[in-house]
Amino acid sequence: QKEVEQNSGPLSVPEGAIASLNCTYSDRVSQSFFWYRQYSGKSPELIMSIYSNGDKEDGRFTAQLNKASQYVSLLIRDSQPSDSATYLCAVLNSGYSTLTFGKGTMLLVSP
Amino acid sequence: DAGVIQSPRHEVTEMGQEVTLRCKPISGHNSLFWYRQTMMRGLELLIYFNNNVPIDDSGMPEDRFSAKMPNASFSTLKIQPSEPRDSAVYFCASSVTGYGYTFGSGTRLTVV
Repeated sequence: QKEVEQNSGPLSVPEGAIASLNCTYSDRVSQSFFWYRQYSGKSPELIMSIYSNGDKEDGRFTAQLNKASQYVSLLIRDSQPSDSATYLCAVLNSGYSTLTFGKGTMLLVSP
Repeated sequence: DAGVIQSPRHEVTEMGQEVTLRCKPISGHNSLFWYRQTMMRGLELLIYFNNNVPIDDSGMPEDRFSAKMPNASFSTLKIQPSEPRDSAVYFCASSVTGYGYTFGSGTRLTVV
């Protein structure tokens, strides 16, 4: 059973701080990783994808991947109250084109 | 681009009734997925279609659940008979194979 693990939170940070969200996965041969943001009552929205070891930056978001440690993270700089949501880590399963999702980390950014 | 379109948005039905959920994927996407989301279990894959063919249905809970994709622009998920434990949000998503998904708005199903 392929697993994706995330701390459920909530992770509380003040406005302007850096939020760090973490994810570990069990499938050693996975090659593609995604972060989704889900606001309460809404559908998941793709915000970042990463395929190679290292960092990938997009605006205030940075995704980090370490395949040797089977670890993916998402950093949100200058956090805003509008970033308050649940962040889902997803891993593309080897052999199929399906994603396994973690249960998500709830982020709360206080003004 | 209208995105992935699901209907209905909300469905309330009595136990034992048949429920049909509908999905129109994004044009040009060749993969379609049905997921179910609950607080306890998170997002669970029910079934995956590639080029209209079911590839992985190992997540379908039991024979009460069935899914079809008669063409590239339409899919249905049917529950017959429905039970209270089927209450959840059901998402349809589509993608180009191997890339991130785009989700529909979901159907919130309540079985009483």
